[in-house]
Amino acid sequence: EPEVTQTPSHQVTQMGQEVILRCVPISNHLYFYWYRQILGQKVEFLVSFYNNEISEKSEIFDDQFSVERPDGSNFTLKIRSTKLEDSAMYFCASSEVSNQETQYFGPGTRLLVL
Amino acid sequence: QKEVEQNSGPLSVPEGAIASLNCTYSDRGSQSFFWYRQYSGKSPELIMSIYSNGDKEDGRFTAQLNKASQYVSLLIRDSQPSDSATYLCAVHRSPAGGGNKLTFGTGTQLKVEL
Repeated sequence: EPEVTQTPSHQVTQMGQEVILRCVPISNHLYFYWYRQILGQKVEFLVSFYNNEISEKSEIFDDQFSVERPDGSNFTLKIRSTKLEDSAMYFCASSEVSNQETQYFGPGTRLLVL
Repeated sequence: QKEVEQNSGPLSVPEGAIASLNCTYSDRGSQSFFWYRQYSGKSPELIMSIYSNGDKEDGRFTAQLNKASQYVSLLIRDSQPSDSATYLCAVHRSPAGGGNKLTFGTGTQLKVEL
């Protein structure tokens, strides 16, 4: 069964450093998403991406964040200058085209900013 | 008012019993509703989706939707210890301009006891 994959599974970085989280969505899916979950809190939407552009973003997704689909398979989230409060689990998800389509989540990247 | 509300629990049920999980949402324009299961430290895993009023059954799981009351529930029959997890209610409303974000509740922790 096809699945969303993410790398790395864990990332430790120093405050102020740039990090890139990588995702490979399910191959026939066209919508891609990033969510985050701070330890003990709810899953929060960051951004959705369709047709090579951001279709929606949350207030969390400020200028420090960017997303890119550098090739036909990868989808990346870049945090330019990490803060302590960026420590969280970051989930990539993907879905097919229609608005009702289910979003399938990857296993996540646990980011720890020291 | 929280967009998606769930009782955080824990909800404890004996093995073999019916577990009932509830969720209310504030946005009347919400179109699609999902239940995800999340084990500790893992990513959300889809259990059920429901789009129209009424009941939808899939194996031991039944989702119920009442849009007039803005209420979604999940029933788990013959609960097993492996069902012990946090159950996340997620609501989707596609904005006119595109984007498919899911809004999650904080989740209900279910414990199935032997």
